[in-house]
Amino acid sequence: DQQVKQNSPSLSVQEGRISILNCDYTNSMFDYFLWYKKYPAEGPTFLISISSIKDKNEDGRFTVFLNKSAKHLSLHIVPSQPGDSAVYFCAASCFKGKNTGGFKTIFGAGTRLFVKA
Amino acid sequence: EAGVTQSPTHLIKTRGQQATLRCSPISGHTSVYWYQQALGLGLQFLLWYDEGEERNRGNFPPRFSGRQFPNYSSELNVNALELEDSALYLCASTQNNPGGEQYFGPGTRLTVT
Repeated sequence: DQQVKQNSPSLSVQEGRISILNCDYTNSMFDYFLWYKKYPAEGPTFLISISSIKDKNEDGRFTVFLNKSAKHLSLHIVPSQPGDSAVYFCAASCFKGKNTGGFKTIFGAGTRLFVKA
Repeated sequence: EAGVTQSPTHLIKTRGQQATLRCSPISGHTSVYWYQQALGLGLQFLLWYDEGEERNRGNFPPRFSGRQFPNYSSELNVNALELEDSALYLCASTQNNPGGEQYFGPGTRLTVT
């Protein structure tokens, strides 16, 4: 049962345009939603997150939107740059208490973004 | 500040052997998470260690085990290796802050032949 889904395995965008990566989740208990970026031969790096009580968080070129009613979040990158080409993982997290499981973080399968120069 | 480190970078084993993977968290982080990323799949949660104890494990058989040392570094052991254990194994550390963002190492690529 995939609780976090990224339905697009890949996305190709022209440099300077907007990249929109999408993510859907099924569990209403998640407290935070996070995006990670992964280059080949490196571990994922944290990019941006959003609390479940917000609907938008912005950090420079990166904005995450959360639609709780639709159980959907998206990452917008504007403007897209060739260096943004990577795999982007969506993750959903909830804290269950230190002695009852800690952070439950579920990752999506990832979307590979290609930004063409 | 040094990031999360993992060793070895690559590991090649044959079926039935045992593999040991190592992870050192960011200084000050007491929690270590292990994930498996098989080809084409997302990150699957394996184990969580915090302050020297195993706190939670994912849906993996008991031949996946590990431990956390007093300095918070961690080992992942995989016994009786099977071909489908071939994957990238990622370690992450966290301060257990509310957002739960984790800081990942570069991973160990395990190949079982």
